[in-house]
Amino acid sequence: NAGVTQTPKFRVLKTGQSMTLLCAQDMNHEYMYWYRQDPGMGLRLIHYSVGEGTTAKGEVPDGYNVSRLKKQNFLLGLESAAPSQTSVYFCASSTRRQDLYEQYFGPGTRLTVT
Amino acid sequence: AQSVAQPEDQVNVAEGNPLTVKCTYSVSGNPYLFWYVQYPNRGLQFLLKYITGDNLVKGSYGFEAEFNKSQTSFHLKKPSALVSDSALYFCAVRDIDSSASKIIFGSGTRLSIRP
Repeated sequence: NAGVTQTPKFRVLKTGQSMTLLCAQDMNHEYMYWYRQDPGMGLRLIHYSVGEGTTAKGEVPDGYNVSRLKKQNFLLGLESAAPSQTSVYFCASSTRRQDLYEQYFGPGTRLTVT
Repeated sequence: AQSVAQPEDQVNVAEGNPLTVKCTYSVSGNPYLFWYVQYPNRGLQFLLKYITGDNLVKGSYGFEAEFNKSQTSFHLKKPSALVSDSALYFCAVRDIDSSASKIIFGSGTRLSIRP
């Protein structure tokens, strides 16, 4: 099992450019999440999905869009990148079993917007 | 709203000494609490959780956490620190207003173990 994988690992964008981050999980998890991590602020939820074809906003959704066309994949898009979106992005997944609740994280994507 | 607070940005401990990383929580209802660890340039890894039952929860890598309802705390502990324990530690709480297993993370505490 690869668990949760993310591509790319690093990316540098110029202001105004667009890109898509890909997250894939092979654990058949129903729920998937996108977070951003900034120094001193912990992890903040951007968007999440409870199943194929469904997405919802998290704490900091502005400037991002997501899609979940397949159960195993969750895409995060930046349509017009801004320097404030420089961050480390983590994808996570979890089962919907309420007795488990743990989230499994990918290795992260370090994004710099200049 | 649910929240967790980690009052220390950094904790420094000598190898072999006991360590404690502090966490306090604020929830309505029964808390589901978690600790995660992040090693450099890696994603977060689950360490342990408290849902119900024994107030002392044992987790991975020799860590344990003590749930204290009266003090609304969930401190992470280890009897004897290793240099390899140096990492960023996050306390987290279940978001009970969510049906999507969402959890809310604290700001993190950097643990540094000196040889």
